[in-house]
Amino acid sequence: ETGVTQSPTHLIKTRGQQVTLRCSSQSGHNTVSWYQQALGQGPQFIFQYYREEENGRGNFPPRFSGLQFPNYSSELNVNALELDDSALYLCASSSGQGVGYTFGSGTRLTVV
Amino acid sequence: QQQVKQSPQSLIVQKGGIPIINCAYENTAFDYFPWYQQFPGKGPALLIAIRPDVSEKKEGRFTISFNKSAKQFSLHIMDSQPGDSATYFCAASSLTWSGAGSYQLTFGKGTKLSVIP
Repeated sequence: ETGVTQSPTHLIKTRGQQVTLRCSSQSGHNTVSWYQQALGQGPQFIFQYYREEENGRGNFPPRFSGLQFPNYSSELNVNALELDDSALYLCASSSGQGVGYTFGSGTRLTVV
Repeated sequence: QQQVKQSPQSLIVQKGGIPIINCAYENTAFDYFPWYQQFPGKGPALLIAIRPDVSEKKEGRFTISFNKSAKQFSLHIMDSQPGDSATYFCAASSLTWSGAGSYQLTFGKGTKLSVIP
């Protein structure tokens, strides 16, 4: 059984650019959530996908968007990058019952 | 609005000591309270979780105490070891609400624990 894998591990982008982060969920998990973790802070919920549909969003603007694919993998897209978008982006998968979220190691995004 | 308040921000204990980390929540719809451990460069890993129908849960050296009336819960680490040095996050969610965003975790700001040999 594999865990949650995220790619890339590190990324440097320029303000105004667009970025796509990828996540492969743990085997058997059909729900994927994305979190943003700023330095020294707890993770903040961005949105959640279940059966390829977004079914919940935190307090993030529309330039944060995502996709979930039939194999339950997922993408996080961020347009018009701002300096404050610099953070660790975490993907978490679960079986859909709300317990036992498994987090990936994250993608460290730096916007310069 | 921070819905889960965590304290202290940092904690230093001697090996064998019992660090205690406290959290308080506001949303009475929360009914699932997990604790996560995070090492540098890694994602959070689930340590232990509790539902509000019990006041205490133990798993190995980790114990959660839960006070529903006070809307507070805490993590105790028995016989702490240098390998326990990490950042610990409390979190909360609702397992009974099936609307949009169900099960989303609301995290505290974290406690950086250092266990000195």
